[in-house]
Amino acid sequence: EAQLVESGGDLVQPGGSLRLSCSASGFTFSSYPMHWVRQAPGKGLEYVSAISSNGISTYYVDSVKGRFTISRDNSQNTLYLQMSSLKTEDTAVYYCVKPHSSSWYNWFDPWGQGTLVTVSS
Amino acid sequence: DVLMTQSPSTLSASVGDRVTITCRASQSISIWLAWYQQKPGKAPNLLIYKASSLQSGVPSRFSGSGSGTEFTLTISSLQPDDFATYYCQQYNTYTTFGQGTKVEVK
Repeated sequence: EAQLVESGGDLVQPGGSLRLSCSASGFTFSSYPMHWVRQAPGKGLEYVSAISSNGISTYYVDSVKGRFTISRDNSQNTLYLQMSSLKTEDTAVYYCVKPHSSSWYNWFDPWGQGTLVTVSS
Repeated sequence: DVLMTQSPSTLSASVGDRVTITCRASQSISIWLAWYQQKPGKAPNLLIYKASSLQSGVPSRFSGSGSGTEFTLTISSLQPDDFATYYCQQYNTYTTFGQGTKVEVK
């Protein structure tokens, strides 16, 4: 059974940096593109970023472009999200998600439990 | 970007009610739509994919329909465990989510 476990969320000041990690197990990690989705407190789901299975292609939503970097280590079955120049509006629970198949866009299952990033002074 | 609009934003219902949530896409997405249920403090859970396919383990009272730009999620007989927030997701062009529909106790 596929499982995703995020870590790295914390309280950080505006302008600061943080790196999130997502440890994957139960499936062939290197065969799947991977994604990050976030949810601000009391708000809906927002798609953030994606990376191809080989790590060469990436996608970012406009609001994080130039500030966030997605990467992966297929030897360690781990997905990362490096966040810099953080803004208060980046405060959210960040979910690591696996697409159903190796297609770039698909339905997401499973989701990790999420990790909370709080940007505040 | 494909904009996904859910209605209503909040729905008040009682146990046993038939509940219908609508999701409209700003352009045709064929059948490339999924539905998720989310409870407070938890990650979303997949209910329906490809507009009408029921995810394994999801109760049969949940069903999905539609194609093109209009989709519905129906709960045939609302159960206590179904009070939650529901989201649609299109994955035809990149991916976007609806704003959510909260099903609350009437």
